[in-house]
Amino acid sequence: GENVEQHPSTLSVQEGDSAVIKCTYSDSASNYFPWYKQELGKRPQLIIDIRSNVGEKKDQRIAVTLNKTAKHFSLHITETQPEDSAVYFCAASKSNYQLIWGAGTKLIIKP
Amino acid sequence: GAGVSQTPSNKVTEKGKYVELRCDPISGHTALYWYRQSLGQGPEFLIYFQGTGAADDSGLPNDRFFAVRPEGSVSTLKIQRTERGDSAVYLCASSSGTGGNEQYFGPGTRLTVT
Repeated sequence: GENVEQHPSTLSVQEGDSAVIKCTYSDSASNYFPWYKQELGKRPQLIIDIRSNVGEKKDQRIAVTLNKTAKHFSLHITETQPEDSAVYFCAASKSNYQLIWGAGTKLIIKP
Repeated sequence: GAGVSQTPSNKVTEKGKYVELRCDPISGHTALYWYRQSLGQGPEFLIYFQGTGAADDSGLPNDRFFAVRPEGSVSTLKIQRTERGDSAVYLCASSSGTGGNEQYFGPGTRLTVT
């Protein structure tokens, strides 16, 4: 079955700098890749997603890139702010419903 | 409108007891998902409903776990003979249908088995 690996497990960046989180997946049939943000004690919330027919997608300070050949996708956050501090999860799906999740990246924004 | 709601928010039970966790999806959402999240890990898929039927229950860890959605709206996750290893946050999500649509999560039920 599908396996999703996420790195790093913890990422600390200076406020204003960029943050990059990377994920790899194993099943080449996966075609939907969402990213969720989860603040401490709260529910996961979708921040951006990408489908396999697109290589890059941007939404303000957030972008996601997908390399189908290498089977990896990345989340890019520019001009980081304190409110970006959270745990970020990538996920992959080929069935359009069963999401296989990465283990998460704890992003710490240093003032 | 109202988002996904889950009750109770916290449940403490003794080992061996039976528990029920309830999920109220967003009105009109046909797809409903149950996940389990342990500390420091990503959500683990348990079961997916499309309407009233369980379209995929391959994530249920064993036969002590069962879920229903009799009218295609509210869902109940049932755990029999609870074990300490069942302690986790149980998350419910709903979406408007298949096709990679955004899954909206509830706040979760924190289950602690003592």
